[in-house]
Amino acid sequence: DGGITQSPKYLFRKEGQNVTLSCEQNLNHDAMYWYRQDPGQGLRLIYYSQIVNDFQKGDIAEGYSVSREKKESFPLTVTSAQKNPTAFYLCASSIVRPYSSGANVLTFGAGSRLTVL
Amino acid sequence: AQKVTQAQTEISVVEKEDVTLDCVYETRDTTYYLFWYKQPPSGELVFLIRRNSFDEQNEISGRYSWNFQKSTSSFNFTITASQVVDSAVYFCALIGQGAQKLVFGQGTRLTINP
Repeated sequence: DGGITQSPKYLFRKEGQNVTLSCEQNLNHDAMYWYRQDPGQGLRLIYYSQIVNDFQKGDIAEGYSVSREKKESFPLTVTSAQKNPTAFYLCASSIVRPYSSGANVLTFGAGSRLTVL
Repeated sequence: AQKVTQAQTEISVVEKEDVTLDCVYETRDTTYYLFWYKQPPSGELVFLIRRNSFDEQNEISGRYSWNFQKSTSSFNFTITASQVVDSAVYFCALIGQGAQKLVFGQGTRLTINP
């Protein structure tokens, strides 16, 4: 079945460590996104990419980095510069063709919960 | 600027009651799309509906229905005869034509009590 796979599901990090969250999709979607969700809050966009080897900052990009070397993969690195990284991270993808029936419909992964010890 | 407001932070009802989740949006675009997503306790968001700004017809899908009113900039979601499995956080979202990213509301946590 087509979908998005995020790993790991749970991750613990010590302060000062970088960690990388994996996101893989087999939907042949062009666009991929990373969101952060804090308890009781909505989704905040970290980074997004609409094409391989290109990505843009979202609303809260500081302390995070991404790469898009393959269409299927969009890993997120939470760096030590991120002061409050404990959160639930969601990866999503979508098609880009603007007038298609699926345009802008995001398909989400199951999420990765990061806890800083 | 685009904005989505879900004023109801939490709603709790007894099973079989009807419940309406409110969504009010702001945009200067004439063409835009509105969405509803469901986030069950497992965490993964599930797409429920997309509506474009030129289609104001109400939509019904089983026990779910959506009321889109451009005059009040609202896109409300009603669950009829609610069930415990409807318990989740529900998000309303908006994107303007040509924009690259969705704007999400803060979400409404719905609890259906048996």
